[in-house]
Amino acid sequence: DQQVKQNSPSLSVQEGRISILNCDYTNSMFDYFLWYKKYPAEGPTFLISISSIKDKNEDGRFTVFLNKSAKHLSLHIVPSQPGDSAVYFCAASRGSQGNLIFGKGTKLSVKP
Amino acid sequence: DTGVSQDPRHKITKRGQNVTFRCDPISEHNRLYWYRQTLGQGPEFLTYFQNEAQLEKSRLLSDRFSAERPKGSFSTLEIQRTEQGDSAMYLCASSRTDSGNTIYFGEGSWLTVV
Repeated sequence: DQQVKQNSPSLSVQEGRISILNCDYTNSMFDYFLWYKKYPAEGPTFLISISSIKDKNEDGRFTVFLNKSAKHLSLHIVPSQPGDSAVYFCAASRGSQGNLIFGKGTKLSVKP
Repeated sequence: DTGVSQDPRHKITKRGQNVTFRCDPISEHNRLYWYRQTLGQGPEFLTYFQNEAQLEKSRLLSDRFSAERPKGSFSTLEIQRTEQGDSAMYLCASSRTDSGNTIYFGEGSWLTVV
């Protein structure tokens, strides 16, 4: 069973507009959530994270929102840039162990 | 470069051969992780170390897989008697115990078993 789900395999956005990537999870014990970006043939790069005690975390153009009651989080990128084109992975963990459970990823294409 | 370093970046091997990957974590990171990623999937956890102790192993880590971190610094992941299903990207990551659950990945080692 998939504990972290990214239901949109791909997303296409115009440069300058907002990109919204979504992620759902099933395990209510998860208490820490992260987003990673991955270019082809490279390892994932950490983008932003959020603890379950918060509902929003912002870092520059990137904002993550957490809705615990819906077991849903989203990553907003504003404004989107062509260099943001990559696969975005949502990940979740519980406790302090660092064993991350990843979704299958969403491929974002930002068109000039 | 002070990031996580993995070697080799690419490995092609014949079925049945043994392969070994090496990972050098970020300096002063006491935790080290191995993940595996196949096409169309997210990274899947294999195992992690805190210092030299291997604290958790996934059931994905069959008996043919062994990981070590002998002095609490670099780590090796060995796959014995490789099978075609082992073809994947093997990712190493590291973190500090006091940095929460944010882990930093290396660029990965691609394995192709032919």
